[in-house]
Amino acid sequence: GQNIDQPTEMTATEGAIVQINCTYQTSGFNGLFWYQQHAGEAPTFLSYNVLDGLEEKGRFSSFLSRSKGYSYLLLKELQMKDSASYLCAVRDMGNYQLIWGAGTKLIIKP
Amino acid sequence: KAGVTQTPRYLIKTRGQQVTLSCSPISGHRSVSWYQQTPGQGLQFLFEYFSETQRNKGNFPGRFSGRQFSNSRSEMNVSTLELGDSALYLCASSLTQAKNIQYFGAGTRLSVL
Repeated sequence: GQNIDQPTEMTATEGAIVQINCTYQTSGFNGLFWYQQHAGEAPTFLSYNVLDGLEEKGRFSSFLSRSKGYSYLLLKELQMKDSASYLCAVRDMGNYQLIWGAGTKLIIKP
Repeated sequence: KAGVTQTPRYLIKTRGQQVTLSCSPISGHRSVSWYQQTPGQGLQFLFEYFSETQRNKGNFPGRFSGRQFSNSRSEMNVSTLELGDSALYLCASSLTQAKNIQYFGAGTRLSVL
């Protein structure tokens, strides 16, 4: 079957670093996406990984290991506005459909 | 450039009624996907349209249907509403089916009483 696992909720302190993990088991793989969703708003695209390694974009980085079925999103210098849900999604090889994890709610404390 | 627009933002219906939700994609985007989002669940894929044709369909009953028009705008219809259909319905557009960075609308929150 197809399965994507993320922690349900994480708490971190303003100014710190947090790593949100995502593990997946899918029948095919054609890329992994991270999205951010603030409460009551649309999910917004953060990053895309298709090859192994680290992709860095400002304060956010995303890592992929295809052999381990594992990705993480690293957020540095946390700000209060980073409080949101972070969604991991894997693109299926055959039909390009995105398969989504349930999301990780990140709470930032002062 | 305008983003993805979904209307209406909020809807309240009663069991047995039907509802139609609308989605206008980003200009130039030809693929539109629909998702259902409920608390604690990931986004559940409903269907994808590209060039007015349904390309993929998720595991939802036949009460859920959709269509896409020649200007890429899409509608989703749910007939014979059930309490369990209460959810946030999200629409996402992308340039093509394969180049799948999806851009989401703010969603339509449907409450079924």
